[in-house]
Amino acid sequence: DAGVIQSPRHEVTEMGQEVTLRCKPISGHNSLFWYRQTMMRGLELLIYFNNNVPIDDSGMPEDRFSAKMPNASFSTLKIQPSEPRDSAVYFCASSPVGQGIDEQYFGPGTRLTVT
Amino acid sequence: DAKTTQPTSMDCAEGRAANLPCNHSTISGNEYVYWYRQIHSQGPQYIIHGLKNNETNEMASLIITEDRKSSTLILPHATLRDTAVYYCIVRVNTGNQFYFGTGTSLTVIP
Repeated sequence: DAGVIQSPRHEVTEMGQEVTLRCKPISGHNSLFWYRQTMMRGLELLIYFNNNVPIDDSGMPEDRFSAKMPNASFSTLKIQPSEPRDSAVYFCASSPVGQGIDEQYFGPGTRLTVT
Repeated sequence: DAKTTQPTSMDCAEGRAANLPCNHSTISGNEYVYWYRQIHSQGPQYIIHGLKNNETNEMASLIITEDRKSSTLILPHATLRDTAVYYCIVRVNTGNQFYFGTGTSLTVIP
């Protein structure tokens, strides 16, 4: 298996632009998670899905952030409009929930820089 | 709220055992202890988890005290590639959230 795939790996954009981050979870995994990591705040859970349905989005910082999971093999995290304080590494993770295994498998992350 | 307390940093000599402590004094009876690590510029990686009993796998051993208020992750023969930030996590008993906290930065010294 290729593991969790994220794209792009690096994104540099100007303030005010729309940013879309993409994630392909491991095949067969039922849960998908989006995290953000910064030096100041560490690793923060933004939102997670079970069976393509958003379960908890309490970590989403504000309305500029939105996440979708249209099918079991794809998810997006969108920031519109982007701001410099959104600069961070964004990780996607998936987990085989319901199979007695709770560990999450993380992708390589997308490093976002908003200038 | 990560519900755990870990030392900020530790050093370990290459080839020696690395013992990483974690305090989780408010852990609930049905909450598991998980350990992850994050090597620089990579995503976190699952290591091991346990409820009450000690656990061992190909990567590490997990020792949980009888009162479950603390645990120790043991890397039996640390290598330079084990240099990473190690997170001790208590999984909440609803949903699948993982709260990572600040972790312990382990440096393995040649």
